[in-house]
Amino acid sequence: EPEVTQTPSHQVTQMGQEVILRCVPISNHLYFYWYRQILGQKVEFLVSFYNNEISEKSEIFDDQFSVERPDGSNFTLKIRSTKLEDSAMYFCASSPGQGYGYTFGSGTRLTVV
Amino acid sequence: TQLLEQSPQFLSIQEGENLTVYCNSSSVFSSLQWYRQEPGEGPVLLVTVVTGGEVKKLKRLTFQFGDARKDSSLHITAAQPGDTGLYLCGGTSGTYKYIFGTGTRLKVLA
Repeated sequence: EPEVTQTPSHQVTQMGQEVILRCVPISNHLYFYWYRQILGQKVEFLVSFYNNEISEKSEIFDDQFSVERPDGSNFTLKIRSTKLEDSAMYFCASSPGQGYGYTFGSGTRLTVV
Repeated sequence: TQLLEQSPQFLSIQEGENLTVYCNSSSVFSSLQWYRQEPGEGPVLLVTVVTGGEVKKLKRLTFQFGDARKDSSLHITAAQPGDTGLYLCGGTSGTYKYIFGTGTRLKVLA
């Protein structure tokens, strides 16, 4: 069963530091996504990525955030100048096309201290 | 604003009982997915329903898509503790981005 792989599983960072969360989507999927989930709250959409560019982003995804697909396999989320409220589980997902279900990774737990 | 409302929000039942979770919207969805999420893990896709009135079964889980494709239900027969988790519906309507439902947190007691 193909998987979406995320690394690291847990990241602790000092407030103000930059973090990069990494994802390897399923190889033949075309759409890539980042979501986050603050403890006890709902899954929130951050950004979608298709054809090497952002196709949609939420109001959460401000200038502090950026995404990149640096090569044919990795999909990264960079958070600059982290804040305490950025602490959450960050999930990467991919899908083969619009209207299809998503395959999620197991997440990166980001803790900002 | 597109919304997918799930009900109930929380459900605690005894092992062996049946339950139904609902996912409702005022918008028509081209397809709907159901996921289960366990603590500390990402949501896991359970099923996709596409056609109005469609019924799909996955062991003890039965999924139905409403005739008008605005709602869906998940029925679990003889619930087991392993069914415990957060159940999410999700989908996209028209040109809107994919959204997730508000979630139903299920706890099955042994």
